[in-house]
Amino acid sequence: EVQLVQSGAEVKKPGESLKISCRASGYGFTNYWIGWVRQMPGKGLEWMAIIYPGDSETRYSPSFQGQVTISADKSINTAYLQWNNLQASDTAMYYCARHEWKSAAHWFDPWGQGTLVTVSS
Amino acid sequence: QSVLTQPPSVSAAPGQKVTISCSGSTSNIGDNYVSWYQQLPGTAPKLLIYDNNKRPSGIPDRFSGSKSGTSATLGITGLQTGDEADYYCGTWDSSLRAGAFGGGTKLTVL
Repeated sequence: EVQLVQSGAEVKKPGESLKISCRASGYGFTNYWIGWVRQMPGKGLEWMAIIYPGDSETRYSPSFQGQVTISADKSINTAYLQWNNLQASDTAMYYCARHEWKSAAHWFDPWGQGTLVTVSS
Repeated sequence: QSVLTQPPSVSAAPGQKVTISCSGSTSNIGDNYVSWYQQLPGTAPKLLIYDNNKRPSGIPDRFSGSKSGTSATLGITGLQTGDEADYYCGTWDSSLRAGAFGGGTKLTVL
């Protein structure tokens, strides 16, 4: 069974750094893209970034380029999302999901359970 | 503001059919396949449709997808109260070189 298990909820102060994780199992981690999706409180889904663990190639949404860093450690089948200077506006639920990319077809499946990040002074 | 436009809400009675639209442009829907996701309250999103009209294993045939030009549509027949959820379309944008989701549509089954 393909499964993505995310790290637990975080409470941080503005200006702090944070790295959340997503551990994959049940498939060849280096053979699929994996990505992150933001959902701010009461709002919709926002596509953030994807990475191909096989060669660490990345794609970022222009909205998130320079704001976060996506990475992966293929030795432990884990993807990460990192911030260096958290802001209150980063408060959101963050989902990881395996990203299928076949020519012009893209979709996310399956999804992790979500990691709630709260940034407050 | 998303590059994909969905109606904020739709509603219908149990047993009826509803459609949810997703409008884009030549650089996203016009050039790429569309996927659809269901997000039940308090849960992670789940893939409903991929490649415009394909259903993953376990998704009932009450759910269908179609695409025409720069728009896509999700159809749900035989509505059940358990279908009350937020629904999102998604695709790739060739100009942005990144993916995108629609703003989401809240389905109410009256």
